[in-house]
Amino acid sequence: SQQGEEDPQALSIQEGENATMNCSYKTSINNLQWYRQNSGRGLVHLILIRSNEREKHSGRLRVTLDTSKKSSSLLITASRAADTASYFCATDGGSSASKIIFGSGTRLSIRP
Amino acid sequence: GAVVSQHPSWVICKSGTSVKIECRSLDFQATTMFWYRQFPKQSLMLMATSNEGSKATYEQGVEKDKFLINHASLTLSTLTVTSAHPEDSSFYICSARADRGREQFFGPGTRLTVL
Repeated sequence: SQQGEEDPQALSIQEGENATMNCSYKTSINNLQWYRQNSGRGLVHLILIRSNEREKHSGRLRVTLDTSKKSSSLLITASRAADTASYFCATDGGSSASKIIFGSGTRLSIRP
Repeated sequence: GAVVSQHPSWVICKSGTSVKIECRSLDFQATTMFWYRQFPKQSLMLMATSNEGSKATYEQGVEKDKFLINHASLTLSTLTVTSAHPEDSSFYICSARADRGREQFFGPGTRLTVL
C-alpha cells in the first residue's frame, strides 16, 4: 500500500531554477524521509526529518514538515542537470508497524 | 552509512521457473528486512517485512506462496519468486534495519525479466 501522494507527478524546469516537490501522507508518522532514484537505479537517501522538526537543510536541499496538515515539501535550490531523477517521500510509522511506505513520486527533469 | 547488497543485480528467466534473490547486510546485523517491488515509472510498493527467525508478514494483495521469503540469519534474507510469469517482471529492492526506529538501508535492487 502507498502512504500518500506526491505533487506534482512530473516537473520540468530550467537549470538554475528552484524545484519544489510536495508530499502528503495519511497516518501519523515517526519521521519522513526523501529519496532520489535515477532511472533504473537504486535509491539514494537524501534527508530525514523527524515528526518534532519543522524544517531541515542539507546543502541545496530544504525540507519542511507540517504534521498538522500531514504534508512535507522538498526544495532543491539552484538546480543542476544531475538533479534529474525521480524523488520519493517515505514515511515511517514508528509504532507497531514501523515500516517505510513510499509516496507516488515526482519525476524531475532539469533542462540545460 | 551501512551497506546492503543484492544478488543478482539482474536476471532473465523463462516463464514457469523460480528465481531467488538475495539481500545481505554487509557490515551490520539486520533484525528486520523489507522487500519492495517497483514497476516501471511507479513507486516502490512494500511486499513484505521479515524478521530474523520468524515468518514474514506480507502486505495485502501479495501472495505469500508465490513470493517466498526466508530470513534465516541476521545478515541474509532471500526472496524466491516461484513459477515466475511475465507479469512478475519488475525491479525488486530490499532494505535492512538493525533495530526498530533506526534507519533503513536500501540495496541497489534486482531487475527481474520473465520471458
